[in-house]
Amino acid sequence: GAVVSQHPSWVICKSGTSVKIECRSLDFQATTMFWYRQFPKQSLMLMATSNEGSKATYEQGVEKDKFLINHASLTLSTLTVTSAHPEDSSFYICSARVGSYYSNQPQHFGDGTRLSIL
Amino acid sequence: QKEVEQNSGPLSVPEGAIASLNCTYSDRGSQSFFWYRQYSGKSPELIMSIYSNGDKEDGRFTAQLNKASQYVSLLIRDSQPSDSATYLCAVNSNNAGNMLTFGGGTRLMVKP
Repeated sequence: GAVVSQHPSWVICKSGTSVKIECRSLDFQATTMFWYRQFPKQSLMLMATSNEGSKATYEQGVEKDKFLINHASLTLSTLTVTSAHPEDSSFYICSARVGSYYSNQPQHFGDGTRLSIL
Repeated sequence: QKEVEQNSGPLSVPEGAIASLNCTYSDRGSQSFFWYRQYSGKSPELIMSIYSNGDKEDGRFTAQLNKASQYVSLLIRDSQPSDSATYLCAVNSNNAGNMLTFGGGTRLMVKP
């Protein structure tokens, strides 16, 4: 149980393109989903917390107008990287947690999306 | 001081040995503790969850929690080369908005 699906797994596109990444909880409902970014040989960095039916909460330093998050249902959150540039190239990973916002259950991760901007 | 600290390694152990991975955390209000395994180029995979003091065993893995010492560890028995990965300690605290705080990870290398 607790499977999280992330799509696409790999994106290569030109600078200035907007890219949408989907994160789905397949066998559970996720009130809260999380978006992380990871650069090579570095730790996971939380970008934002995605709450179903409300605005996402962004971490300090993350531009909310550049990284648009939509969590329209209990099983789907999307991250759109708008007008992507080479410095946005990274490994983007979503996670979801079973239960409510106050749940102490673990986060389950999707397989990640490797984004390369040329 | 980092909120969740791990030795970055690499920790090198021979095949068949016990690998011991350690983690300390600073927030005494932390209530949930997790170990994730991350292979190079892949996303983290949940290995163990532990919520109360003591040991919790699952196959070759044993998680140990000592809240008084603010210490959590992961033991891997009969280590295999396929266990070679980075192990992330993660702590969930209400003080952190009920979010996971990750350690930097310990890279484990199991040599045949």
